[in-house]
Amino acid sequence: RKEVEQDPGPFNVPEGATVAFNCTYSNSASQSFFWYRQDCRKEPKLLMSVYSSGNEDGRFTAQLNRASQYISLLIRDSKLSDSATYLCVVNSGSGTYKYIFGTGTRLKVLA
Amino acid sequence: EAGVAQSPRYKIIEKRQSVAFWCNPISGHATLYWYQQILGQGPKLLIQFQNNGVVDDSQLPKDRFSAERLKGVDSTLKIQPAKLEDSAVYLCASSRPGQGGEKLFFGSGTQLSVL
Repeated sequence: RKEVEQDPGPFNVPEGATVAFNCTYSNSASQSFFWYRQDCRKEPKLLMSVYSSGNEDGRFTAQLNRASQYISLLIRDSKLSDSATYLCVVNSGSGTYKYIFGTGTRLKVLA
Repeated sequence: EAGVAQSPRYKIIEKRQSVAFWCNPISGHATLYWYQQILGQGPKLLIQFQNNGVVDDSQLPKDRFSAERLKGVDSTLKIQPAKLEDSAVYLCASSRPGQGGEKLFFGSGTQLSVL
């Protein structure tokens, strides 16, 4: 089983739609969680950290479920500019702060 | 603030040749990472340095890959000899020391094609 698993997609959604991605992780000792965004042929960039109580940043909402070992990302009112690959990242928390990336979920927002 | 610098941006070599990549992290960032990203996959950690010491190299193919971070600043990653399956983007990232919740800053990467 992979340490961090995501549905690779692609998710094709119309502008204005709400879309949600899930990510599961295998290491129950993981301590911190993130969503990164990667545009085509570019480097990953931090979109948002994921906190235990859930957190929101504009149209983006991230949630963490430690019991079921998954995190989610919800994007409301999708924009064309949201088209990208969204990478789920888990910090192993085993003392070395090892950041493990999922395969990424590809999103395409259609006009 | 200057970002993570990587060079070269692109490299094309034939199999069995050698290649080296260079990375200069953000000033003051003690932790440096090398990731390999194959097309359609997420970045895979190859090696992680804390200052000039190796923290994790469990996924580094040590028979052909080597990396060093002399003086705890810039780093080089070498492949010798290269195989076709090494074709990928090699990303360098850095972060400040802390409790594991830090943001990773990535360089633009080196796209390697092995023919």
